Amino acid sequence: DIQMTQSPSSLSASVGDRVTITCRASQDITTDLGWYQQKPGKAPQRLIYAASTLQSGVPSRFSGSGSGTEFTLTISSLQPADFASYYCLQHNNYPWTFGQGTTVEFK
Amino acid sequence: QVQLVQSGAEVKKPGASVKLSCKTSGYRFISYYIMWVRQAPGQGLEWMGRVNPSDGGTIYAQQFQGRLTMTSDTSTSTVYMELSGLSPEDTAVFYCASFSSHFWDLWGLGTMVTVSS
Repeated sequence: DIQMTQSPSSLSASVGDRVTITCRASQDITTDLGWYQQKPGKAPQRLIYAASTLQSGVPSRFSGSGSGTEFTLTISSLQPADFASYYCLQHNNYPWTFGQGTTVEFK
Repeated sequence: QVQLVQSGAEVKKPGASVKLSCKTSGYRFISYYIMWVRQAPGQGLEWMGRVNPSDGGTIYAQQFQGRLTMTSDTSTSTVYMELSGLSPEDTAVFYCASFSSHFWDLWGLGTMVTVSS
C-alpha cells in the first residue's frame, strides 16, 4: 500500500498568514493526488485535483504543487473560512489512501 | 439537482451488519466511481473502497476484506455499502462520494453508524 505522510498534523495561524501543508507518498504517484478541506460536522470537499489544478469555485488563494512523491498545498493568505482540516488523497494505486490530516487552528 | 442522498443514522449491536445507501441524482450514474470513506469520531478520513456503477466492479481496502460489500443498482441510481461483523470500533460517519480524477467531486452528507451493546 502507498503511505501518505502528511505534515504538520496541526498548525496555528492568523488571518493573512501563508500556510503550507505537505504530503509525501511512499512511492511515485505521478500527479494522482487531490487535496480536500473538511469543516467540523461537514463532508469533505476537494480543493485541488491532479496535484495542482484548482477545483471550480475554489478561491485562488489555494494552490497545489508537486509530483512524484512530494506535494504541497498552500494557502497564500489565510481567511477565517479556511480554519478547517485538510487531507490529501492519492488515487494512483489501490488502495487509495488519505494523509493523516492537518488541522489549521486560529492562533 | 446534482446530489448524493445518504440513508439515515443507524444504531447496531456488536456482531451485526449495516447496509447504507447512497442515491445519486442529477448526473449520469455510470460515469463516475463511487467511493466510501469512514471517519471515526475525532479521527481522519479512511478510504474503504470503491464501486464502478457501470459494471459493478469493486475494490476494497485490505482491512475491510471479507466483511465489506459494495453494490450498485442502475435502475435506481443507488449504491449500497454493507459492513458486517460490526464492533464498537466501527462507530463512525460513513461518506459516499462520486469520484473523478479530474474536476468532478460530489459528496453525500454522511451517515452516522453507532455500534453499541
